[in-house]
Amino acid sequence: EPEVTQTPSHQVTQMGQEVILRCVPISNHLYFYWYRQILGQKVEFLVSFYNNEISEKSEIFDDQFSVERPDGSNFTLKIRSTKLEDSAMYFCASSAGRFSYEQYFGPGTRLTVT
Amino acid sequence: AQKVTQAQTEISVVEKEDVTLDCVYETRDTTYYLFWYKQPPSGELVFLIRRNSFDEQNEISGRYSWNFQKSTSSFNFTITASQVVDSAVYFCALSDSFSGNTGKLIFGQGTTLQVKP
Repeated sequence: EPEVTQTPSHQVTQMGQEVILRCVPISNHLYFYWYRQILGQKVEFLVSFYNNEISEKSEIFDDQFSVERPDGSNFTLKIRSTKLEDSAMYFCASSAGRFSYEQYFGPGTRLTVT
Repeated sequence: AQKVTQAQTEISVVEKEDVTLDCVYETRDTTYYLFWYKQPPSGELVFLIRRNSFDEQNEISGRYSWNFQKSTSSFNFTITASQVVDSAVYFCALSDSFSGNTGKLIFGQGTTLQVKP
C-alpha cells in the first residue's frame, strides 16, 4: 500500500540553524500539506501546496518557513532560523483531491531545537 | 469560524468496556467533511473515517462506530468492547470549503484513551 514517508525521523538542531524536513508524498496525489504538533497539543495546519505553489498558509507559517517541491517527488519544509518554540512533531500529508478526500499522513519528523 | 471541540481530555476504561469519544464542530458551510484519526504511542496519524455533511447515516466498522448528528453538530465515535491496543490519542477533524478551498484539516484537541487490562 502506498504511503507517505518522511526523513529524518528525528532532527536535533541548535537555535538559529536552518533545517530542512523532507517528505515523499504518495505518487499520484496532487495536494500536499505540512502540519505540526507541539508535544501534547493538537495538530495544527501550517501550509497547503498545489500545482507547485502555496495555496494557503496559516499565521504560524511566517517568513522563516518555506516549502518547495524540487524534483516532482520530494516535498520539503525549510525553517531558516530555528527557535526553541519550533520544537514539535512535523507531519507531512498528501491527498488525491481537496477537502472531500482523506489526507494520508507520514510518520512525522520530531524536531528538537536546543 | 471553523472549530472542533473534543471536550474529553482523557478517558480511562477497563478492557471490554464500551467507550464513546465526543466531537462537536462549528462551521458556516453546508458542505463539509468530518474525520477521525488515531495517534498511537508511536506517534503516526492513522486515518479512521471520513463522513460528508450530506450523509447522516451511522457507520460501523468492526468494533468502531460513528454517530453523526447535524442537529447537534456532533460526530461521536464509539469503540465497543475496547482492547488495550485501542489506547491512543484520537483526533476529530473538520474540512470545509471555508478552509480556503485547499482542504486543510482543522483538528480538535484530541482525547487520550487509556484501556487498562
